[in-house]
Amino acid sequence: QKEVEQNSGPLSVPEGAIASLNCTYSDRGSQSFFWYRQYSGKSPELIMFIYSNGDKEDGRFTAQLNKASQYVSLLIRDSQPSDSATYLCAVNIVSSGAGSYQLTFGKGTKLSVIP
Amino acid sequence: EAGVAQSPRYKIIEKRQSVAFWCNPISGHATLYWYQQILGQGPKLLIQFQNNGVVDDSQLPKDRFSAERLKGVDSTLKIQPAKLEDSAVYLCASSSSSGGWADTQYFGPGTRLTVL
Repeated sequence: QKEVEQNSGPLSVPEGAIASLNCTYSDRGSQSFFWYRQYSGKSPELIMFIYSNGDKEDGRFTAQLNKASQYVSLLIRDSQPSDSATYLCAVNIVSSGAGSYQLTFGKGTKLSVIP
Repeated sequence: EAGVAQSPRYKIIEKRQSVAFWCNPISGHATLYWYQQILGQGPKLLIQFQNNGVVDDSQLPKDRFSAERLKGVDSTLKIQPAKLEDSAVYLCASSSSSGGWADTQYFGPGTRLTVL
């Protein structure tokens, strides 16, 4: 079973702090990694994707990938109360059934930013 | 650009009844996905279409779930008969490419199904 693991939280950070969200995956052959944000009662919204080892920055968000350690993280700088949501890590994994790529999600980490 | 559209947004049915969900992907997107998201879990892929062909339905409970994508655009997902454990949010997503490793998926608002 190819898995994506996240700490379910909740993770609480004060407003203005850096929030660090972590994800590990089991399929060493995975090539693409995605972070989605999901507000309560809403659908997942794509924040970032990363393919290469290292850091990728987009505004207040930085995704970090380490394929050797099978680890991907999301940093949110200057956290705002509006960032309070569940963050889903997703990994494109080859489906053993169909041989096609399948986005496999973790259970998500719930982030609360305290004003 | 309009996003992925889904209807209905909410549905309440009794067990053993049938239900259908509709999805219209982003214009021009060839690949369409149906996911099931149970409360507290991440979305789980049920079926993937490329144009009007099925790419992957290995996780679709085929004894009760069916899906089609006629003409390679809109799609419907049906459950017949529904069970209590089918209570979940059903998400439709689409992507512009062929479903490869670099594919980026965009989600619709979802349909929240409650089975009583």
